[in-house]
Amino acid sequence: DGGITQSPKYLFRKEGQNVTLSCEQNLNHDAMYWYRQDPGQGLRLIYYSQIVNDFQKGDIAEGYSVSREKKESFPLTVTSAQKNPTAFYLCASMKGDKQETQYFGPGTRLLVL
Amino acid sequence: GNSVTQMEGPVTLSEEAFLTINCTYTATGYPSLFWYVQYPGEGLQLLLKATKADDKGSNKGFEATYRKETTSFHLEKGSVQVSDSAVYFCALSDRSGGTSYGKLTFGQGTILTVHP
Repeated sequence: DGGITQSPKYLFRKEGQNVTLSCEQNLNHDAMYWYRQDPGQGLRLIYYSQIVNDFQKGDIAEGYSVSREKKESFPLTVTSAQKNPTAFYLCASMKGDKQETQYFGPGTRLLVL
Repeated sequence: GNSVTQMEGPVTLSEEAFLTINCTYTATGYPSLFWYVQYPGEGLQLLLKATKADDKGSNKGFEATYRKETTSFHLEKGSVQVSDSAVYFCALSDRSGGTSYGKLTFGQGTILTVHP
């Protein structure tokens, strides 16, 4: 079955530590996205990538970094510079070529110890 | 910039009641409009979409009509079920082109609880 996988489901971060969230898709989609979801708020865009080896900052990129070395993978690193990292992180992908529907993974919940 | 405003929640209904969740938007150009649903602890699933004015999206008994004159995309269902309990997000897609194409702007979400 095609889809988007995110791992781990839960992740714990200590103060001053960088952590990396995994996102993999086997849908052959060109574009991939990372969102952050906080209680009572909508999703906010962190980073997105429309093609391999290229990515753009979203609305809340500070304290985060990404890479897009392969079409199917778009890992997100939450750095120690992100002072309030506790949130639910969602990865999405989109086919591109004028297709606008984004498909979402199951999410990773990041908690700070 | 683009923005989406949803009605304040939470919304609590009895089974078989009529549902409306209001959504209005501000956008440059003519965006596509979406409703996504999120069940507890899960990612978002596309519920329905509309790509141009007067289009009606529908799925699983839910409907929404793209109203350009009122910049609205209200979600409706004639008879809700307990299994419809979830968070519903209205969103628009940036069609201005270039690297912004396909970017989604979300409303804050509306929590729906349906009681038997």
